Amino acid sequence: GAVVSQHPSRVICKSGTSVKIECRSLDFQATTMFWYRQFPKQSLMLMATSNEGSKATYEQGVEKDKFLINHASLTLSTLTVTSAHPEDSSFYICSASGGRTDTQYFGPGTRLTVL
Amino acid sequence: GQQLNQSPQSMFIQEGEDVSMNCTSSSIFNTWLWYKQEPGEGPVLLIALYKAGELTSNGRLTAQFGITRKDSFLNISASIPSDVGIYFCAGQLTDSNYQLIWGAGTKLIIKP
Repeated sequence: GAVVSQHPSRVICKSGTSVKIECRSLDFQATTMFWYRQFPKQSLMLMATSNEGSKATYEQGVEKDKFLINHASLTLSTLTVTSAHPEDSSFYICSASGGRTDTQYFGPGTRLTVL
Repeated sequence: GQQLNQSPQSMFIQEGEDVSMNCTSSSIFNTWLWYKQEPGEGPVLLIALYKAGELTSNGRLTAQFGITRKDSFLNISASIPSDVGIYFCAGQLTDSNYQLIWGAGTKLIIKP
């Protein structure tokens, strides 16, 4: 139980394009989903928290107009990196929590490379 | 941002040895979590601790939630090659949507 998937696992795009990453909770209802960014050899950096049906709460320094988050259902959240630039290249990971313990379960991550 | 103090930063051990790592914080947490991350993958939950003083095992892994609620340790007994990876501790806040505060990670390398 508590399986979270992400799609795509890897994406390469040109500078200036937008990229959408999906995060799905496969066997539970996720009341809250989190989006993280991870730089090499570092721990996860929280970008934003979203509750189903409401606007995401962004961490300080994260541009909400650049990183669009939609949490339209209890099993799906999307992160869209708009007008991507090479400095947006990173490993993006989502997590989902729901139920009594609110433990976060993580997706496998998406490697974004912007050329 | 806020971060837990996790040590050691890395460990280079022989297969079969026991491993111990810990995390400390100046803040109190109601939940401590231990995750393992392998290259190119997301963190996988190993053990979740919900009560101060709680000692929980998962196979060869044992973790304890410190009685002061400001620290936790993770032990791995009789390490095997597939234990390699980065181990992260995380304290969970009960406000702010149950956000996690992360340790910097302990990289485990095992010599066969």
